[in-house]
Amino acid sequence: QSVLTQPPSASGTPGQRVTISCSGSSSNIGSNTVNWYQQLPGTAPKLLIYSNNQRPSGVPDRFSGSKSGTSASLAISGLQSEDEADYYCAAWDDSLNGRGVFGGGTKLTVL
Amino acid sequence: QVQLVQSGAEVKKPGASVKVSCKASGYTFTSYGISWVRQAPGQGLEWMGWISAYNGNTNYAQKLQGRVTMTTDTSTSTAYMELRSLRSDDTAVYYCARALRYFDWADPWGQGTLVTVSS
Repeated sequence: QSVLTQPPSASGTPGQRVTISCSGSSSNIGSNTVNWYQQLPGTAPKLLIYSNNQRPSGVPDRFSGSKSGTSASLAISGLQSEDEADYYCAAWDDSLNGRGVFGGGTKLTVL
Repeated sequence: QVQLVQSGAEVKKPGASVKVSCKASGYTFTSYGISWVRQAPGQGLEWMGWISAYNGNTNYAQKLQGRVTMTTDTSTSTAYMELRSLRSDDTAVYYCARALRYFDWADPWGQGTLVTVSS
């Protein structure tokens, strides 16, 4: 049972816009920033979005993040076949002496 | 470029210990910390803890307290994660990742080290 809640799956066709939600609580998303990671099949996770809505250099501007209250979302516009991957949200949680927490992951399928 | 290279796969028996290494290059090692994250087969990501490469301060996941130790060797820019009293549910890919502070984002990540616990 993950502390942050994500839908297990999402899908879209090439060129479409897809959003992935991430729901938390006041002790994590409500009081700390959210990061998003992309994990392509068989590879290590890669930072996609940090501090809610910032893109590391090299990440296309098709990827964007937002946060409101205790929820966050990742949007991917102009969907491409290479975007097929697992996506994880993450945040710091102030409970239990503090800990990093992740969502359960969303598997994005490009139809 | 910033790179983290981890040690190879391990097979351990229940009750044994494992020590995974993570060698950093391309940046000033002591200016950042290292986070450790694991992923059981077919499962999601689990945060294990963080260590400052500057002063060795650590922050461990409560569920692993007493079984995990994270250390660094600044002379070789290498971080280590030791997990003791291994159980079958510790079977996972273990990742190291650079993180400025314990609550910060992790970037980049090492390639991962598969640890299999089996009798």
